[in-house]
Amino acid sequence: AQKVTQAQTEISVVEKEDVTLDCVYETRDTTYYLFWYKQPPSGELVFLIRRNSFDEQNEISGRYSWNFQKSTSSFNFTITASQVVDSAVYFCALSDDSGGGADGLTFGKGTHLIIQP
Amino acid sequence: NAGVTQTPKFQVLKTGQSMTLQCAQDMNHEYMSWYRQDPGMGLRLIHYSVGAGITDQGEVPNGYNVSRSTTEDFPLRLLSAAPSQTSVYFCASSTFTDEKLFFGSGTQLSVL
Repeated sequence: AQKVTQAQTEISVVEKEDVTLDCVYETRDTTYYLFWYKQPPSGELVFLIRRNSFDEQNEISGRYSWNFQKSTSSFNFTITASQVVDSAVYFCALSDDSGGGADGLTFGKGTHLIIQP
Repeated sequence: NAGVTQTPKFQVLKTGQSMTLQCAQDMNHEYMSWYRQDPGMGLRLIHYSVGAGITDQGEVPNGYNVSRSTTEDFPLRLLSAAPSQTSVYFCASSTFTDEKLFFGSGTQLSVL
């Protein structure tokens, strides 16, 4: 069975600080896909990134970066120079299917990130 | 292009009532699914479908029925609502070439 653990229930930082959201996963599949979604206070789910199990390169997109380490089964997400607009609940998710659509996504419980001005 | 459309956005039911949450997508996606989101629990998969006429159970299917008679529509039925079904429900769709799920805007359901 697949499992995703986001141990940080809530994180609060002051604007402009860097913050890392942790994600640890469990799966018996050799091919799998990891995702991060953002849920702002408005409630919609915003896709941030997908990474497959064969690509361990770290990814950077503006202030966002992701660190994928198969050795520790982790896929951590860092926001550099955080802004108030980054306040949201962030979900890490896992699937054995490319887009998570065929068999569904296994979500972590989410990390509520609060950026204080 | 509307994407994934869920109706209604809000609903209040009494225990024992039945209702159908509607989900439609206009992207010709093969895959459709329903999730429920509860505080502190993340999103959990209820049912999913890989094509018209094919459905399967997810992690939390009890109390819910689905059918997929067309590619576009994937309704979720509550036959006898219970307070434990108070939640936010999300419908999602994708195709096998997509790298992500496309989510609807959600339905907030309260069962009294």
